[in-house]
Amino acid sequence: DAGITQSPRYKITETGRQVTLMCHQTWSHSYMFWYRQDLGHGLRLIYYSAAADITDKGEVPDGYVVSRSKTENFPLTLESATRSQTSVYFCASSDGLNTEAFFGQGTRLTVV
Amino acid sequence: GENVEQHPSTLSVQEGDSAVIKCTYSDSASNYFPWYKQELGKRPQLIIDIRSNVGEKKDQRIAVTLNKTAKHFSLHITETQPEDSAVYFCAASMGGGADGLTFGKGTHLIIQP
Repeated sequence: DAGITQSPRYKITETGRQVTLMCHQTWSHSYMFWYRQDLGHGLRLIYYSAAADITDKGEVPDGYVVSRSKTENFPLTLESATRSQTSVYFCASSDGLNTEAFFGQGTRLTVV
Repeated sequence: GENVEQHPSTLSVQEGDSAVIKCTYSDSASNYFPWYKQELGKRPQLIIDIRSNVGEKKDQRIAVTLNKTAKHFSLHITETQPEDSAVYFCAASMGGGADGLTFGKGTHLIIQP
């Protein structure tokens, strides 16, 4: 299917474990983004990427790692999950400046 | 970095009335201002956006105004309908969105029948 998809949709993990959230887009968009959404905070940017092999930190990058070896994939890794990382994570992509960012369906992550 | 304030946090209007949501931003270098609608359990979706060289943009029942001098922008929804009930987020970007968006905290719009 065309579009932007995230996996898994739901994940429960234990404190201290490493977990990777996947994001895949079929549009060949140059720009990709990871946001987290928490009640009372709206959406906050974690990391973004302008192209393959180019990534940069957003507002809340601590505890997260990203990579972008291929244009279509932008995985987000929590190296050692903490309860404060319990959140809904959204991946997004866009094809350039001043253009719409399309969001994936989100991953609800619970760290216990 | 950029800071976006959004008001009100909750807005209840009668069906058919107008709704206005306001946002302010801190960095005068911001040049792209989108608005997203998010229904419960769904992903955010763009409803309208405006660039810094434009003062107003309209799309059917939805309009956005931008005042760069005062650093604020607003969303106007006229003739509200039940399907307009959702959370609305404003956002701003200094890089036209290429460096990501800074979002407001959202407005829960409730349309009363």
